[in-house]
Amino acid sequence: AQTVTQSQPEMSVQEAETVTLSCTYDTSESDYYLFWYKQPPSRQMILVIRQEAYKQQNATENRFSVNFQKAAKSFSLKISDSQLGDAAMYFCAYRRDNNNDMRFGAGTRLTVKP
Amino acid sequence: DAGVTQSPTHLIKTRGQQVTLRCSPKSGHDTVSWYQQALGQGPQFIFQYYEEEERQRGNFPDRFSGHQFPNYSSELNVNALLLGDSALYLCASSLEQYTTDEQYFGPGTRLTVT
Repeated sequence: AQTVTQSQPEMSVQEAETVTLSCTYDTSESDYYLFWYKQPPSRQMILVIRQEAYKQQNATENRFSVNFQKAAKSFSLKISDSQLGDAAMYFCAYRRDNNNDMRFGAGTRLTVKP
Repeated sequence: DAGVTQSPTHLIKTRGQQVTLRCSPKSGHDTVSWYQQALGQGPQFIFQYYEEEERQRGNFPDRFSGHQFPNYSSELNVNALLLGDSALYLCASSLEQYTTDEQYFGPGTRLTVT
């Protein structure tokens, strides 16, 4: 079974600083996709960034980037120049190719201090 | 362009009752997935509907059933409610099955079973 582990229940960062959220996953598949979702208090999940396992290059989206280590089954999210609006729950998620069952981690609550 | 909408926002039911939750996908989307998010946890995949059929199901009992209508909207039905069914129920829409494109989530329905 594929599982996703987020070992940091809570993280805190100073505004304008950089923070890294950790995620590890367990799978025997070779083709899969990894995602980071943000869930603000409004509850609506928003896709932050995604990574295809077959791509060696780490995905980036503006201030958000990932460090994808396929052999180590690690997928961390780096948020640069943190903003107050980045405060939210962040979920790491895994989905194997040709499968709709997306597996989520337990989440990391990010606080941004002004 | 309306995003994913869900109704109702909140719902309180008594153990043993039945409940129906509704979801309208983002305009142009034809696939709807349902997730259960218990308090303090990540979402868990319930099932996905495409072309009015259940295409894949997660590890949920038959008490959880669904339907997709010709206009792509969807319903989630839960029978014989248990206290453990209390959760946030999220609907997500996308275009076509197995797509790596973004799943757009709705704001969820908070179900409380007493």
